[in-house]
Amino acid sequence: EAGVTQSPTHLIKTRGQQATLRCSPISGHTSVYWYQQALGLGLQFLLWYDEGEERNRGNFPPRFSGRQFPNYSSELNVNALELEDSALYLCAASRGGVDEQFFGPGTRLTVL
Amino acid sequence: ILNVEQSPQSLHVQEGDSTNFTCSFPSSNFYALHWYRWETAKSPEALFVMTLNGDEKKKGRISATLNTKEGYSYLYIKGSQPEDSATYLCAFSWVGTGGFKTIFGAGTRLFVKA
Repeated sequence: EAGVTQSPTHLIKTRGQQATLRCSPISGHTSVYWYQQALGLGLQFLLWYDEGEERNRGNFPPRFSGRQFPNYSSELNVNALELEDSALYLCAASRGGVDEQFFGPGTRLTVL
Repeated sequence: ILNVEQSPQSLHVQEGDSTNFTCSFPSSNFYALHWYRWETAKSPEALFVMTLNGDEKKKGRISATLNTKEGYSYLYIKGSQPEDSATYLCAFSWVGTGGFKTIFGAGTRLFVKA
């Protein structure tokens, strides 16, 4: 069974641009979570999607947004990129509720 | 602001030593407590999910306990091996407006020397 996949692996953007990150969950996993790990910091919860709807978001500005598609894959969009958005972005998937989350390999975003 | 504290920040042990880490979290609106192992250059891997006060989970040489009333969880590793070297993350899920949220601690970085 394929695990959670993310693309791209690395992404380099300049300040002010927009970035789109993608995540495909494991088959049967309807919940997708997005996390940010900035250098020197722990994992910060960004967004949670379940059954196509945004269920909750962390303390991030509105320029961080996303969506979940009918096949449960998800996109994270970051608009008006700032230097401090440079981080590892991890996507995780679960069957929902308190089920364990399975993490993807991450996308390393660098903003120059 | 809800916060999850993990201690120690890092730990160096010899192969064969037993060790334990602490995760402290708010005791209100508890939903679940998760432990993950995060090896360098890999994705975090779930170890345990605990939901009930007094829960104890065990997987091989690793075990965990949960006290939701006082807001802490312990992770124990018996007879540490070099392959146990990783960052151990705990994550606290609570019920708030709009559903549940999850917050991660900063992790405990374990180094096991052969």
